Amino acid sequence: KQEVTQIPAALSVPEGENLVLNCSFTDSAIYNLQWFRQDPGKGLTSLLLIQSSQREQTSGRLNASLDKSSGRSTLYIAASQPGDSATYLCAVMYGTGNNRKLIWGLGTSLAVNP
Amino acid sequence: GAGVSQSPRYKVAKRGQDVALRCDPISGHVSLFWYQQALGQGPEFLTYFQNEAQLDKSGLPSDRFFAERPEGSVSTLKIQRTQQEDSAVYLCASSLFGPPSSGNTIYFGEGSWLTVV
Repeated sequence: KQEVTQIPAALSVPEGENLVLNCSFTDSAIYNLQWFRQDPGKGLTSLLLIQSSQREQTSGRLNASLDKSSGRSTLYIAASQPGDSATYLCAVMYGTGNNRKLIWGLGTSLAVNP
Repeated sequence: GAGVSQSPRYKVAKRGQDVALRCDPISGHVSLFWYQQALGQGPEFLTYFQNEAQLDKSGLPSDRFFAERPEGSVSTLKIQRTQQEDSAVYLCASSLFGPPSSGNTIYFGEGSWLTVV
C-alpha cells in the first residue's frame, strides 16, 4: 500500500533556528513529490516540486531533497521566521496518464516563536 | 472507508459537456475544501464550506463552476460547458473543526482527474 508519513506531527522552535521536516513514502516508484504550506483559513501554497529524476530543489530559504532509494524527502528551512508558522504538507504523485494517484501526508504543524 | 472519498476517480469529458464531481468527507467533519491542480502545478483553492454554508467561493475561476453541500456532508463540484483548460485534478479535503488553524489536521481525498478533449 502506498503511504506517505510526515514526522514530526508538530514542531515549535525559536526564531532563527534552522529546521528539517521529514516526509517518507513506502513506494519508491514516484512520479514527483511536492511540498506545500497551508496557512490558517487559506488554501494550499505550493513550495517546491521535485521530479523523480531530481535530487533537490531550492527556493530562497527553503531546500527540499529527494532520496528515492530510501523513500525520503526532507524540507530544510534556514533561519526560520515567525511568518514561517503554518502546516507543511508533503504529497507524492504516482503513475502517469489515467493511472495517476496523489498521496498526501498529514502534515507537520510548525510554530516559530519570536 | 474512513478517509475522504472522491468520485469519479477519472473522467474524460468532451468540450462543452457538463460534469459533476462528488466528495464524501470524513463523517462529522465540519470543514470541506475543493482545490484544482493542473499537472505540474500546485493546488489552487476553489471554495470552502463550513457545514452546509459556502463561506468562501473566491477561488472558483468562472461562473461555469458551482459547488454545493446541501446537507453539510457530501459535496458536489459541478462544471458546466467544460473547456480544455478545465483539465486538472480536483482535490477535496475535510477537517473536523472550523477554518483550519495550525495543528488542525486536514485530510485529502485522492482526487478526481478530469480530462477535457
